[in-house]
Amino acid sequence: GAVVSQHPSWVICKSGTSVKIECRSLDFQATTMFWYRQFPKQSLMLMATSNEGSKATYEQGVEKDKFLINHASLTLSTLTVTSAHPEDSSFYICSARDGAAEKNYGYTFGSGTRLTVV
Amino acid sequence: GDSVTQMEGPVTLSEEAFLTINCTYTATGYPSLFWYVQYPGEGLQLLLKATKADDKGSNKGFEATYRKETTSFHLEKGSVQVSDSAVYFCVFGYNQGGKLIFGQGTELSVKP
Repeated sequence: GAVVSQHPSWVICKSGTSVKIECRSLDFQATTMFWYRQFPKQSLMLMATSNEGSKATYEQGVEKDKFLINHASLTLSTLTVTSAHPEDSSFYICSARDGAAEKNYGYTFGSGTRLTVV
Repeated sequence: GDSVTQMEGPVTLSEEAFLTINCTYTATGYPSLFWYVQYPGEGLQLLLKATKADDKGSNKGFEATYRKETTSFHLEKGSVQVSDSAVYFCVFGYNQGGKLIFGQGTELSVKP
């Protein structure tokens, strides 16, 4: 079945540095990818939607200059947390939708990235 | 606006007990409904889905029926196992746009 590989699974970085998280669809073309943030014991909050080859659409309240999203190919999207601060520590999850099955709710999720900013 | 409300956890049950996790939604259109499960240390997995009113989704002994009249999609299982311990999310989405709306999640803990 469809697989989304998210890397790294966890990362610790110093305050002020930037961190890049990758999300790859391994056996299908993902025209649309979604980035979520999950706080402990809470739901997933959609941060942005990215379509291949175009700028990401950010949800209200999400800083686009802080959370840079690139979706340069049909199999890869990246989220870069720039100038990270401790309040950015969270669990980040990507999800990809199979572009060849628009009416099939084939959302596939990555296993998530635990970011800790110290 | 669109939203999903599910019962708060954590829910703690003994093995073989009956499970119900309530979920209600508010939608401006006609969404499809899903239950996703997140096992400890893993990513979200689709558990079951229903795409129109009165549809019943089922998988691994879990069931949920799309009730348009009560705007509900309650998750049930007749006999839970320790391996069912996870966080369960009630979710909906529209055919166009692709965005999913998540409930807050319900943590289930099943004791032997």
